[in-house]
Amino acid sequence: AQTVTQSQPEMSVQEAETVTLSCTYDTSESDYYLFWYKQPPSRQMILVIRQEAYKQQNATENRFSVNFQKAAKSFSLKISDSQLGDAAMYFCAYRSGTASKLTFGTGTRLQVTL
Amino acid sequence: EAQVTQNPRYLITVTGKKLTVTCSQNMNHEYMSWYRQDPGLGLRQIYYSMNVEVTDKGDVPEGYKVSRKEKRNFPLILESPSPNQTSLYFCASSLVAANTEAFFGQGTRLTVV
Repeated sequence: AQTVTQSQPEMSVQEAETVTLSCTYDTSESDYYLFWYKQPPSRQMILVIRQEAYKQQNATENRFSVNFQKAAKSFSLKISDSQLGDAAMYFCAYRSGTASKLTFGTGTRLQVTL
Repeated sequence: EAQVTQNPRYLITVTGKKLTVTCSQNMNHEYMSWYRQDPGLGLRQIYYSMNVEVTDKGDVPEGYKVSRKEKRNFPLILESPSPNQTSLYFCASSLVAANTEAFFGQGTRLTVV
């Protein structure tokens, strides 16, 4: 079974600075997809970024980018120029290429300070 | 607007009193699932459905039932709720293809006393 590990329960970053959230996963499959979801205090789950395992190029979405290390099974999220609105719980998730289920990590709560 | 609608958003109930949390999506998605979110545990899948009349257990199915009589609806049923089912519940839907985005409902905060 696939597992997703987020080893940082809480992180803090100052406004305008850069922060990296860690995620590792365990799988024996070669075809899969990785996601980062944001959960603000409203509880809504919002897709931040996705990465296809077959792509070597790291995904980017505006201020959000990932560092995907397939051999190390690592998928970290970098947030640049942090803003107060980035404060949220962030979940890393794995999805097999042959199934639809999302497997989530335990989450990292990000605080953004002035 | 594409959305997944869950109701109710908040629910307090007593042990043993049957309840249903509704979930409806308007995107014609085949795949729907239920998750529960608990502190320190992330989101764990309860049940999922690949299409109408096709449902299967996820990782934590005990104490829950689901049905999929129509493509758009996927209710979660707790026939005899217990305090350990106090949690935040999410319904999600997506196309079956693994690279597609999953859309989530607004969540249901359930408290069983």
